[in-house]
Order: sequence, then C-alpha cells, then structure tokens
Amino acid sequence: EDQVTQSPEALRLQEGESSSLNCSYTVSGLRGLFWYRQDPGKGPEFLFTLYSAGEEKEKERLKATLTKKESFLHITAPKPEDSATYLCAVPTQNQFYFGTGTSLTVIP
Amino acid sequence: KAGVTQTPRYLIKTRGQQVTLSCSPISGHRSVSWYQQTPGQGLQFLFEYFSETQRNKGNFPGRFSGRQFSNSRSEMNVSTLELGDSALYLCASSFVGENTEAFFGQGTRLTVV
Repeated sequence: EDQVTQSPEALRLQEGESSSLNCSYTVSGLRGLFWYRQDPGKGPEFLFTLYSAGEEKEKERLKATLTKKESFLHITAPKPEDSATYLCAVPTQNQFYFGTGTSLTVIP
Repeated sequence: KAGVTQTPRYLIKTRGQQVTLSCSPISGHRSVSWYQQTPGQGLQFLFEYFSETQRNKGNFPGRFSGRQFSNSRSEMNVSTLELGDSALYLCASSFVGENTEAFFGQGTRLTVV
C-alpha cells in the first residue's frame, strides 16, 4: 500500500537550534518527492522537488535530501519565521500522497 | 504572475445542502487538482482535471464531483453535505500535472452545520 509518513508530528526548537524532519515513503516507482510549507489558514507553499536518491536541494536555511526510502528536511539555525507545518508529498501514477506534516515551532 | 485563486474563502452550509467551489489556476497551467484537508486526515486527494477531462480520482464518494472548463478554471461540487465534509478544500495547479510542481491556492474553508 502506498504510504507517506512524517516524523516527528511536532517539533519545538530554540532559535538557532538545528534539526531535521523526516519523510518516509513506501510507493512503487518513485516519481519524485515534494516538500511544502504551510502556514495556518493558508495553502501549502512549494519548497523543493527531489527526483533521485542522493539528490540535495537548498533554500536559505533549508536543505532537503533524498534516499531510496526517505527524505530529510534539515533546518539550520532556524528563526521564528520558519515556524510552520512542513509537508512532504509523493506522486504515484494516479495521485499525490501527502504526509500529515511536521508542525515546527521556533522559539525566540 | 497571479497565483491560484479560490473562491469563496469561507462558506457555512447546512447538512443536506450542496455547495460549489471555484478554482482559477495560474495562467498557462492545464492541470487542476483538488484536495480535502482536515486535522485528523491531513491532505487527501480528491481528483485531478487536465484539459477538461478527469484524469485521476481519489477515494471519495460520488457526492464529490468536479469539472474543468476550456479556460482551465475548475469547479468542485459536493452534494448532500454531511457534517464530516467540514474541511479546508484546496486546489493546486500545475503545467502538466503528474510529477511536476503544484502550486496551491489559499483554500476554501467549508463548515457544515
């Protein structure tokens, strides 16, 4: 069964305290893995697409990596404005599967 | 470049009624997907339209339907509303769909009372 699992569900960090979010997936025939950021009451905002194991993408304090079974979103020296829910999604032949997200809170 | 526009932003409906939500994709995008987001289930795929044809469909009952017009604008309809249909409904547009980046609208918050 195609499945996407994110951990942890919630994460509280002090400003400047780096950490990683995990997205593990079990889908056949990976066609890519997407990361989104969602702020309360808003639609998800596209961050990255990764297509093959070993690939890395960076944007400001965020870096996404991909292996054959999971992806990590590394957050380096986070700031309060990085507080949001981070979602990963995996497309299959018929639809996108989203994880339930990691709610990140960065405390000043 | 204008983003994805969803209207209305908020709706309150009564059980048994029907509702139509609208989505205008980014100019040039031909694929529109719809999702239901609830606190317990997260984002769940409803269906995808490409060039006025439903290309993919998620596991939702037939009360949920949609369509796409020749200008790529899409509508989603829910008939015989139930309390459990209360959710944030999001649409996403992409150039060709499938495994390309999708850009989301702000969503329509539907409350069924």
